[in-house]
Amino acid sequence: GAVVSQHPSWVICKSGTSVKIECRSLDFQATTMFWYRQFPKQSLMLMATSNEGSKATYEQGVEKDKFLINHASLTLSTLTVTSAHPEDSSFYICSASLGTERKYGYTFGSGTRLTVV
Amino acid sequence: KQEVTQIPAALSVPEGENLVLNCSFTDSAIYNLQWFRQDPGKGLTSLLLIQSSQREQTSGRLNASLDKSSGRSTLYIAASQPGDSATYLCAPGDDYKLSFGAGTTVTVRA
Repeated sequence: GAVVSQHPSWVICKSGTSVKIECRSLDFQATTMFWYRQFPKQSLMLMATSNEGSKATYEQGVEKDKFLINHASLTLSTLTVTSAHPEDSSFYICSASLGTERKYGYTFGSGTRLTVV
Repeated sequence: KQEVTQIPAALSVPEGENLVLNCSFTDSAIYNLQWFRQDPGKGLTSLLLIQSSQREQTSGRLNASLDKSSGRSTLYIAASQPGDSATYLCAPGDDYKLSFGAGTTVTVRA
């Protein structure tokens, strides 16, 4: 089946540094990818929608200058957390739609645990 | 804005019991609905996808029903096993994104 590979699975960084998270579709082309954030014992919150070759669409309240998203190819989207602070510590998950039509559903990466110290 | 509620928030049952997980959503104009499983510290695994035109979908011991007009979906897990212990998430999809509930955390005791 369709697989989305997300790396790294966990990362610890110092406050003020930047961290890049990669999301790759391994056996299919993903025109659209999605980035979510999840706090402990809470639901997934959609941060932004990433479209190949165009600017990402950010949800209300998400700082686009802090969470940089790049979708340069049909198989790779990246999320860069810039000037990270402890409050950015969270679980980040990417997702891709399985086809150009929504009826095919979505598949998710394995997530990245970010800890900012 | 789509609001998704999952009841109960947590469930603990002995092995072998059938599980019933409920999901309700406020906007019935959905394209489809997916049920996911999430293990601690892991990503999401898709369990079932129900199109808006369907009433139910089955896969092995799992069965999900959808009543789009009333904004409800139910996930049934038959003959539960300890390996079914996880958080189950309901996600109705509109034409461009999924919305998630907080999930039901299931513990199946051996």
